[in-house]
Amino acid sequence: QITLKESGPTQVKPTQTLTLTCTFSGFSLSTSGVGVGWIRQPPGKALEWLALIYWDDDKRYSPSLKSRLTITKDTSKNQVVLTMTDMDPVDTATYYCAPTDARGGWFDPWGQGTLVTVSS
Amino acid sequence: DIQLTQSPSSLSASVEDRVSITCRASQSISNYVNWYQQQPGKAPKLLIYTASSLKRGVPSRFTGSGSGTEFTLTISSLQPEDFATYYCQQTYNMPPTFGQGTKVEI
Repeated sequence: QITLKESGPTQVKPTQTLTLTCTFSGFSLSTSGVGVGWIRQPPGKALEWLALIYWDDDKRYSPSLKSRLTITKDTSKNQVVLTMTDMDPVDTATYYCAPTDARGGWFDPWGQGTLVTVSS
Repeated sequence: DIQLTQSPSSLSASVEDRVSITCRASQSISNYVNWYQQQPGKAPKLLIYTASSLKRGVPSRFTGSGSGTEFTLTISSLQPEDFATYYCQQTYNMPPTFGQGTKVEI
């Protein structure tokens, strides 16, 4: 059974850096083809893909947020970390992580998500 | 980026109704479309991948169809647990993008 859980601060101040950790079980990020992605959803709005890291350390970023994002993995700990710099109130959202496969690209299953509020 | 436009944005329906949601892509994306269901306060769940493949365990009343630029998610007989928001996603190329969602209400 695959499970994922996002963790990190529930609130950050504008201009601060957000660090989120996705801790997962039931699969390995050392397996060929496997990746983990981050997706966010502002309250009442649609889903937005942020970043993706693959088993071979290939990293992909949303073009509109690339300058602010960094994604890393710790295969031994079964964790993926996303950092987002220069946080703004518009970044207030629920942040999800989910595994994917390089062949298909769909995300399944998703973590429960973590709500991050950006406010002074 | 490839834009996905879902229609309608919301719809009202009754239990046992047949419901269809359309997802149109800004360019041809073959069959690289996936559909997710999101219930209020919950994480999205994958229903259908590569346009028409039903994820194991998902009820057969959900079907997906289409290719190229137009795709459809159909619920053949709406059940109470199906009232939710549905999103399409393209994985034809990077970045993967989502539609704006379709809310199915009672």
